Amino acid sequence: GQQLNQSPQSMFIQEGEDVSMNCTSSSIFNTWLWYKQDPGEGPVLLIALYKAGELTSNGRLTAQFGITRKDSFLNISASIPSDVGIYFCAGNSNYQLIWGAGTKLIIKP
Amino acid sequence: NAGVTQTPKFQVLKTGQSMTLQCAQDMNHEYMSWYRQDPGMGLRLIHYSVGAGITDQGEVPNGYNVSRSTTEDFPLRLLSAAPSQTSVYFCASSRGGHEQFFGPGTRLTVL
Repeated sequence: GQQLNQSPQSMFIQEGEDVSMNCTSSSIFNTWLWYKQDPGEGPVLLIALYKAGELTSNGRLTAQFGITRKDSFLNISASIPSDVGIYFCAGNSNYQLIWGAGTKLIIKP
Repeated sequence: NAGVTQTPKFQVLKTGQSMTLQCAQDMNHEYMSWYRQDPGMGLRLIHYSVGAGITDQGEVPNGYNVSRSTTEDFPLRLLSAAPSQTSVYFCASSRGGHEQFFGPGTRLTVL
């Protein structure tokens, strides 16, 4: 089946640092989505991208839909403790969301 | 709006037992789906529905059945539970299959 490669697998950062993560695919997607999941909860949508080259922001979060439609990245600026969690990318293909394995964000005390 | 609700929150089954995981949404979304999430992995699609009376298989459908008799409800049935089905199950809904809203999950253990 289709696969999304999400990296890094985990990140240890200091509060206030910027964070960057990305997803790549061997297939083209029409939509890229970024979700965050807190422990014991379902994923929550952060940003949706619908056009190749699109750059979209949601507060301190910025995501881009790659020109080739095979990749996307998510940046978080000036991280804060509540940013801790697992971030997932997902690509939409024919009503089916294909998911990356997640990036676990940990903030060093 | 309650959004997407799932019951039960936790369930323990013995191998061979059957059960139904319930999912309901009150947003009048046409699209609903079921995923499983295993440790260290992303979500994998089990079954999905693009409207009442229409269902289709996802990536990992074996051992699971679904039906969609109403827009609001999309139950997932485990026919004969196996330890490999121990997982966290999420139901999601959306207007067009893109921006999906997730329920809180059902944590299932099969002994």
